[in-house]
Amino acid sequence: QVQLVESGGGLVKPGGSLRLSCAASGFTFSDYYMSWIRQAPGKGLEWVSYISSSGSTIYYADSVKGRFTISRDNAKNSLYLQMNSLRAEDTAVYYCAAAADASFDLWGRGTLVTVSS
Amino acid sequence: QSALTQPRSVSGSPGQSVTISCTGTSSDVGGYNYVSWYQQHPGKAPKLMIYDVSKRPSGVPDRFSGSKSGNTASLTISGLQAEDEADYYCCSYAGSYTFNYVFGTGTKVTVL
Repeated sequence: QVQLVESGGGLVKPGGSLRLSCAASGFTFSDYYMSWIRQAPGKGLEWVSYISSSGSTIYYADSVKGRFTISRDNAKNSLYLQMNSLRAEDTAVYYCAAAADASFDLWGRGTLVTVSS
Repeated sequence: QSALTQPRSVSGSPGQSVTISCTGTSSDVGGYNYVSWYQQHPGKAPKLMIYDVSKRPSGVPDRFSGSKSGNTASLTISGLQAEDEADYYCCSYAGSYTFNYVFGTGTKVTVL
């Protein structure tokens, strides 16, 4: 079964850290670019970060640059997002998404991150 | 980078057609043929419906079609069905100066 499953979300205080994981199954993970995309409660979608299939190329949205770090382990079919210096505006459901080209072909169900004191 | 502009809502009766617009700039929608559309039912993950402006992934009904003219892309749903009621988001690559994707503001499609 082709799927992505995110984990690691939760409640964290402003300034805190959290590490999200995304487990892939049912397809050749190492063939796909991966991204993290988030959706604040009741809001639209926002692209957060991208990593190439090999992990050699990485990009971030300006809103998270310097605070978030994306990585992947193709041997474990897993994607990660290390989030530091979290702010209230980072509160959102975080989705991992796989891309063969310039669109997001497969999405996980998301994990909720809440930043609040 | 500002979000792409979509109408807040559109509606139609079963069997009718509805069209959702997605307006950007020459730095995103107008500059690349990398517009995609996503359907999101409440509490669910988004699903790819259209990619590269007008291509349909396997399994997506041919009732869904996409197009682009200048800085505006469009998604048309023909023969509207009850299960099409959902939120729809457009997305464009916007990498003129740096790698970036921008999403639309989202449109609620209501089947009357």
